[in-house]
Amino acid sequence: GDSVTQMEGPVTLSEEACLTINCTYTATGYPSLFWYVQYPGEGLQLLLKATKADDKGSNKGFEATYRKETTSFHLEKGSVQVSDSAVYFCALSGYNQGGKLIFGQGTELSVKP
Amino acid sequence: EAGVVQSPRYKIIEKKQPVAFWCNPISGHNTLYWYRQNLGQGPELLIRYENEEAVDDSQLPKDRFSAERLKGVDSTLKIQPAELGDSAVYLCASSFRDSNTDTQYFGPGTRLTVL
Repeated sequence: GDSVTQMEGPVTLSEEACLTINCTYTATGYPSLFWYVQYPGEGLQLLLKATKADDKGSNKGFEATYRKETTSFHLEKGSVQVSDSAVYFCALSGYNQGGKLIFGQGTELSVKP
Repeated sequence: EAGVVQSPRYKIIEKKQPVAFWCNPISGHNTLYWYRQNLGQGPELLIRYENEEAVDDSQLPKDRFSAERLKGVDSTLKIQPAELGDSAVYLCASSFRDSNTDTQYFGPGTRLTVL
């Protein structure tokens, strides 16, 4: 079945370090890909999305490119801040998934000053 | 623009008791979702509504869970009776479904603890 796999956390970085969180997927059809972020005690917020192959989603300094050939959607940021500490979820959704989001297990990021 | 509203934010009950969660979606959104998020995992869909019709409830444990979306706006998710394994965060999301790439917006969730 359709699934999303993320790198395991927690990931601990120093402020201004580079971030990469790996995400790979298995899916039928041509789903859209998403990154959601969950800050402590809050709900999920959409961070960025890409709707077709080679699209790049970006927001708040974060980027991810839809790579169909490697079935990946890795999240990157050049310089993280303490305020980026959160849990990050990769997800997919499309016609073949009936419109529901299929999430990875989440990756916790902790940024130290 | 107001986001998805959920209440209560926290609920603690004893097993075998009933519990209900309420969700008010973003104005104009015709599709509403209930997800359950277990500790340390990603959310999983319980039920999806398009307007007032439940179009996907295949993952809803129908022996104890029920949901309704009267008039195609607000929705209520109920558990009766609750079990220890129902402890989780229950998330409501909404979207305007006009394509296969609609974006879902989530509420803050209700954290349920069953003792």
